[in-house]
Amino acid sequence: GAGVSQSPSNKVTEKGKDVELRCDPISGHTALYWYRQSLGQGLEFLIYFQGNSAPDKSGLPSDRFSAERTGGSVSTLTIQRTQQEDSAVYLCASSSTLREQFFGPGTRLTVL
Amino acid sequence: AQKVTQAQTEISVVEKEDVTLDCVYETRDTTYYLFWYKQPPSGELVFLIRRNSFDEQNEISGRYSWNFQKSTSSFNFTITASQVVDSAVYFCALGPPRWGKLQFGAGTQVVVTP
Repeated sequence: GAGVSQSPSNKVTEKGKDVELRCDPISGHTALYWYRQSLGQGLEFLIYFQGNSAPDKSGLPSDRFSAERTGGSVSTLTIQRTQQEDSAVYLCASSSTLREQFFGPGTRLTVL
Repeated sequence: AQKVTQAQTEISVVEKEDVTLDCVYETRDTTYYLFWYKQPPSGELVFLIRRNSFDEQNEISGRYSWNFQKSTSSFNFTITASQVVDSAVYFCALGPPRWGKLQFGAGTQVVVTP
């Protein structure tokens, strides 16, 4: 497809379980970003990858959160031992040299 | 530290009225980018416009126009002759001169009624 895709679109999990969220960026985009959106916190930056550079992890809220990007394309965001406060919409974006970030539809995570 | 303030939480208008959304930003960078995004009820963030800090030329694109004033650190957005389809949350964002995270404002909910 032409846009950023994310899977699953919805994820319901139990507190304490691990979850993996997937992002497929726009083909050819070298930068990939993860944000999350929740009612109380708005849009928060989590992590970003740019080419072969070390990722900027400055937005990850705790060491339960991690992400990787394989082959400079697909990225997976992993949340270990999920907590109720992790419930949010997780958004992935990618960008090229033009700087604007194009967002995917998001994954709505609900932790029971 | 970087900060983006959208003081208006919600704006309600009747169709065909103009709507202006305010955005004020703070940054120590001398070079930066500013963006507006739209988030309709479907939830997906849609890119609208990018401006770099060297380009203060204001622009009109159809019913949308932008007013960037570096002296007041403002990047306001106007929808002319609003339509029901314009109902959405609009986010202003600040980004670095190279690749990097966007700092988003809290968003302004625009409600356009027929």
